[in-house]
Amino acid sequence: GAVVSQHPSRVICKSGTSVKIECRSLDFQATTMFWYRQFPKQSLMLMATSNEGSKATYEQGVEKDKFLINHASLTLSTLTVTSAHPEDSSFYICSASWAGSEKLFFGSGTQLSVL
Amino acid sequence: GQQLNQSPQSMFIQEGEDVSMNCTSSSIFNTWLWYKQEPGEGPVLLIALYKAGELTSNGRLTAQFGITRKDSFLNISASIPSDVGIYFCAGALPAGNNRKLIWGLGTSLAVNP
Repeated sequence: GAVVSQHPSRVICKSGTSVKIECRSLDFQATTMFWYRQFPKQSLMLMATSNEGSKATYEQGVEKDKFLINHASLTLSTLTVTSAHPEDSSFYICSASWAGSEKLFFGSGTQLSVL
Repeated sequence: GQQLNQSPQSMFIQEGEDVSMNCTSSSIFNTWLWYKQEPGEGPVLLIALYKAGELTSNGRLTAQFGITRKDSFLNISASIPSDVGIYFCAGALPAGNNRKLIWGLGTSLAVNP
């Protein structure tokens, strides 16, 4: 199956710092990548959708200046949490799909803890 | 945001038992997907369904796309301890919705050896 690699798997940072999370599709061209946030024992909450070479489309209530998304190539998307605060602590998961497919393939997630 | 009605919310069963869970919606979907998520990991795709009435199997897992296109179920036969996890259904809306998936709230499965 399609493989999506996400790094880092866990990050602990101080409040006010920025954190970058990488998502790579290893064996397919990801025309669209999705970034999700998940709180303990809850479902996945879509944050934004990014198409390669275009600006990301953010869901209502998600601050685009706080969660910077870059999808510069067909195999790489990054999410940067800027000036992180404790309330940004969460499990962030990326997913990717190719043109014409509704199937999403997920990375292994990044557990962000902001102190 | 919009979510699917997924039930049951949790299940605790004995090894060897069969499991059934389902998702319903007031909206019509073009595609139904079933995922399994283990702690600290991303969801893994189990089965994808594309046509109303479609019945698809993946090993001990069987899923069906409801004839009304508003529901789907997932069955697991002869459960084993490694089936433990949270199972999510997801529906893809018709074209024009930026390929977003609508997610269920998950069914947490525990298997007693």
